[in-house]
Amino acid sequence: KQEVTQIPAALSVPEGENLVLNCSFTDSAIYNLQWFRQDPGKGLTSLLLIQSSQREQTSGRLNASLDKSSGRSTLYIAASQPGDSATYLCAVRSNDYKLSFGAGTTVTVRA
Amino acid sequence: NAGVMQNPRHLVRRRGQEARLRCSPMKGHSHVYWYRQLPEEGLKFMVYLQKENIIDESGMPKERFSAEFPKEGPSILRIQQVVRGDSAAYFCASSPPHPRGNTIYFGEGSWLTVV
Repeated sequence: KQEVTQIPAALSVPEGENLVLNCSFTDSAIYNLQWFRQDPGKGLTSLLLIQSSQREQTSGRLNASLDKSSGRSTLYIAASQPGDSATYLCAVRSNDYKLSFGAGTTVTVRA
Repeated sequence: NAGVMQNPRHLVRRRGQEARLRCSPMKGHSHVYWYRQLPEEGLKFMVYLQKENIIDESGMPKERFSAEFPKEGPSILRIQQVVRGDSAAYFCASSPPHPRGNTIYFGEGSWLTVV
């Protein structure tokens, strides 16, 4: 059974600082890994999708790396802004369709 | 292209009543998934459906919960005789056929409160 852990559970940084969010998973036999953003009372917005054959994906200020053999992914957010405050979820797809989620990292960016 | 549409967004039910949550997938998507998010927990897979077919319901509680995705109309997640522990956010997601390499898109969620 795939277990996904996200550390830290919460993070508070001043505006402009870079954010580093960690995700680990127990079974390295994955198809892909997806990072989502969730605002309070809202749904999930997909940020980045990394296929198992890829090492990283980038979108604007966001960069996600994947080390499948060690079961780790890291989401980097450069030059954080107050608008980046949200919960960030890591999800691993171990078969054709089922996602296993971490509990999330709640980020607060202080102005 | 409208996203995944869920309704109602918020639902309050008394213990013992029934809750029906609806989900319309993105245009062109024939696969629907339901996930549940309990307070302070991650999302948990419940069920995966294609049109008129339940593919995997391994995450569904054995009793009171059912799901369908008819040929016409939205997918329905039905919870009978609700209890306080059913209070959660229920998220629907959809994907095109052959979802393996594709992004799965989530709706805004339906928040169920059982009083």
